[in-house]
Amino acid sequence: GAVVSQHPSRVICKSGTSVKIECRSLDFQATTMFWYRQFPKQSLMLMATSNEGSKATYEQGVEKDKFLINHASLTLSTLTVTSAHPEDSSFYICSALSTGRTEAFFGQGTRLTVV
Amino acid sequence: AQSVTQPDIHITVSEGASLELRCNYSYGATPYLFWYVQSPGQGLQLLLKYFSGDTLVQGIKGFEAEFKRSQSSFNLRKPSVHWSDAAEYFCAVGAGNTGFQKLVFGTGTRLLVSP
Repeated sequence: GAVVSQHPSRVICKSGTSVKIECRSLDFQATTMFWYRQFPKQSLMLMATSNEGSKATYEQGVEKDKFLINHASLTLSTLTVTSAHPEDSSFYICSALSTGRTEAFFGQGTRLTVV
Repeated sequence: AQSVTQPDIHITVSEGASLELRCNYSYGATPYLFWYVQSPGQGLQLLLKYFSGDTLVQGIKGFEAEFKRSQSSFNLRKPSVHWSDAAEYFCAVGAGNTGFQKLVFGTGTRLLVSP
């Protein structure tokens, strides 16, 4: 199957700083990438959808100025959590979809802890 | 709006016993249905998916699922559980224009396997 690499797997940052998470499709071109957030013992909630070269589409209730998404190339999307606060601590997972495929492949996830 | 219900938060099964994880969905059109497995701190791995055709779908690791339109269900089954199957299982419905893009997840069922 296709491989999606997410980095870093874990990050701890201080409150008020920004953190960037990368999501790379290693062996296919990802025309669409999705960013999910998972709270402890809860399900995944879609945060935003990004198409290469376009602005991301955010789900209702997700602050686009706080969660900056860039999808500048067909193999890389980044999620930047700006001015992070402890309530942003969560597990963030990306998935990538290629044109013609019927399955989006998931990265390994990033555990963000804001202290 | 699309929704997925997984009524069982936890299930404990003895190793070697059969397993059934329940999933009910709400979707106005023909659903695109998925089952994913998540090991602790990891991303999601696709077990199987249903788009159309045969309502009994075979997946990886010996899993299968049956789509029952009349019951709006897509239950996951395995005839004999192994200790390595202990994980979190998520049912999802594809809600995008093409049916397999934006995924709406259930809350998950944690499977515990006893010796």
